[in-house]
Amino acid sequence: QVQLVESGGGLVKPGGSLRLSCAASGFTFSDYYMSWIRQAPGKGLEWVSYISGSSITVKYADSVKGRFTISRDNAKNSLYLQINSLRAEDTAVYYCARVRFCCDFDIWGQGTMVTVSS
Amino acid sequence: QSALTQPRSVSGSPGQSVTISCTGTSSDVGVYNYVSWYQQHPGKAPKYMIYDVNKRPSGVPDRFSGSKSGNTASLTISGLQAEDEADYYCCSYAGSLYVFGTGTKVTVL
Repeated sequence: QVQLVESGGGLVKPGGSLRLSCAASGFTFSDYYMSWIRQAPGKGLEWVSYISGSSITVKYADSVKGRFTISRDNAKNSLYLQINSLRAEDTAVYYCARVRFCCDFDIWGQGTMVTVSS
Repeated sequence: QSALTQPRSVSGSPGQSVTISCTGTSSDVGVYNYVSWYQQHPGKAPKYMIYDVNKRPSGVPDRFSGSKSGNTASLTISGLQAEDEADYYCCSYAGSLYVFGTGTKVTVL
């Protein structure tokens, strides 16, 4: 069945780095834009970034621009998020999601928790 | 881009209807018919409930419906059931980026 499974979260000190991964299965991964969305504890959803199927098009929210890098490996059906210069306000559950057409998110992973604390 | 505005909470008794509003601007909700809605139970991932303002993905009960007028979109849950108690988020495409709503907690009394 169609599935997304994130991994790579953990506890990291301010200023540190982490690489999140999302393994996709059950659909032709390269046909779809993919996105990362995060949710701080007790807060709402925040779109973070997306990448086109060919990796040609990428886009970031202003809050993470310059610190986060999205990438994908279509041969491995995998999506990645490299997060650098981590701040306390980056503490959140990070979800990967499949983008339907242009415009919304039809499949979500279970999320991976990133905690930034000294 | 600011978050779309939703009421913090709404409530209703089983069998009743509730409506959640989602107010944006002429740069997002007002100009694109790409409003979607997500249901989130505690500790779980969001679930896709409505897309393109008023379309339901396969498997979503027809008790859930969406609409839009101007800069405000709405989600209506008819015939409220206990399992509908959850957080609900709207989202709008805004031309190469996406904006989520602030979220609404639906309580079934």
